[in-house]
Amino acid sequence: AQRVTQPEKLLSVFKGAPVELKCNYSYSGSPELFWYVQYSRQRLQLLLRHISRESIKGFTADLNKGETSFHLKKPFAQEEDSAMYYCALSGTYKYIFGTGTRLKVLA
Amino acid sequence: GAGVSQSPRYKVAKRGQDVALRCDPISGHVSLFWYQQALGQGPEFLTYFQNEAQLDKSGLPSDRFFAERPEGSVSTLKIQRTQQEDSAVYLCASSLNRALSSYNSPLHFGNGTRLTVT
Repeated sequence: AQRVTQPEKLLSVFKGAPVELKCNYSYSGSPELFWYVQYSRQRLQLLLRHISRESIKGFTADLNKGETSFHLKKPFAQEEDSAMYYCALSGTYKYIFGTGTRLKVLA
Repeated sequence: GAGVSQSPRYKVAKRGQDVALRCDPISGHVSLFWYQQALGQGPEFLTYFQNEAQLDKSGLPSDRFFAERPEGSVSTLKIQRTQQEDSAVYLCASSLNRALSSYNSPLHFGNGTRLTVT
């Protein structure tokens, strides 16, 4: 079965602290993995994708096929990072989303 | 504005009414998706179009849900005889993807339509 699991509904960290948002997936094949973000009062938008292997707004994510994980990390959280984060996978054309993690960065 | 546009932003319907939700994708985007997002949940796949062809409607929850994209651009999601459990945000997304490409183009989302059935 194709599934994306984000175990934390809410993650609160202090400004300047490291952040790790967890994402595990289940898929028989080689999916593409994405992180989407939704800031307050804005639409859902792409943050980063595993094939790009780039850092966006200081965030990185490494695909670990052995652990079927795609955790999102940032070494120093900023208040503007507060948002909903969704991990998603895509096999052929369909995108499957996790339930999301709300990140709150406290001053 | 070149983004995905959805209308209306908010819709309140009485149980049993029919509703129609519109999506205007980014010009030139081949793929169009509808998702349903209940409160506190992630987006759940409803249906997928490639141009005007509806290639996957496996996520539509019942035969009361119907989607079309007759000319391969604007799409409409229709819900007949709405029920309270239909209350959710309905998201439309489009992507440039063409069939059998090596990688999937990322999805571009609209702001969604929040449907409340009373």
